[in-house]
Amino acid sequence: QSALTQPRSVSGSPGQSVTISCTGTSSDVGGYNYVSWYQQHPGKAPKLMIYDVSKRPSGVPDRFSGSKSGNTASLTISGLQAEDEADYYCCSYAGSYTSRSVFGTGTKVTVL
Amino acid sequence: EVQLVESGGGLVQPGRSLRLSCAASGFTFDDYAMHWVRQAPGKGLEWVSGISWNSGSIGYADSVKGRFTISRDNAKNSLYLQMNSLRAEDTALYYCAKGDYDFWSGYGHWGQGTLVTVSS
Repeated sequence: QSALTQPRSVSGSPGQSVTISCTGTSSDVGGYNYVSWYQQHPGKAPKLMIYDVSKRPSGVPDRFSGSKSGNTASLTISGLQAEDEADYYCCSYAGSYTSRSVFGTGTKVTVL
Repeated sequence: EVQLVESGGGLVQPGRSLRLSCAASGFTFDDYAMHWVRQAPGKGLEWVSGISWNSGSIGYADSVKGRFTISRDNAKNSLYLQMNSLRAEDTALYYCAKGDYDFWSGYGHWGQGTLVTVSS
């Protein structure tokens, strides 16, 4: 099972918007509405930012939004803030023949 | 407050076994699926295994299938990962994670991890 493909890095200035893509196949991202996104700061545990493609857990700012089109999911951060600088990972259910999940390769977001 | 505390990590030789534990508190443990996710030093996240609330549904990554076994004891609010035939590539920080919504929706709470190092 190959990892989902994410850009290695994206950057933006404070206040701008950035979008991170997460490309899979019809056997994972494209086949199910079970895409989630995680933010991870250095030395810290990951934090859930989006689940079920576009739902936000309680406490996550509405600057974070998720979407999906075909085999590609996206995370958009609007109104970029300094504290958004972190690594971001997507994750998708990848069932088909066996129950499993797969993470993306990870994207470093830099706030300029 | 949800708390997940992993334990059992350490240095182990290739081919040997190790059992990780995750003690859960602050929520009704037997209402939720639980998962193990690992992160090799300086690398990305890798889902390892997941188990439903009643152990009726279990899944494994291809990289650990046949070597690792996930289990839970709802009476003890604990999650386990039995790791056999360990390899150098199993070296990682192992996180216990709570499936806050549907089994595959996402992992809403994480522990701080326990480090497993496989080396001779």
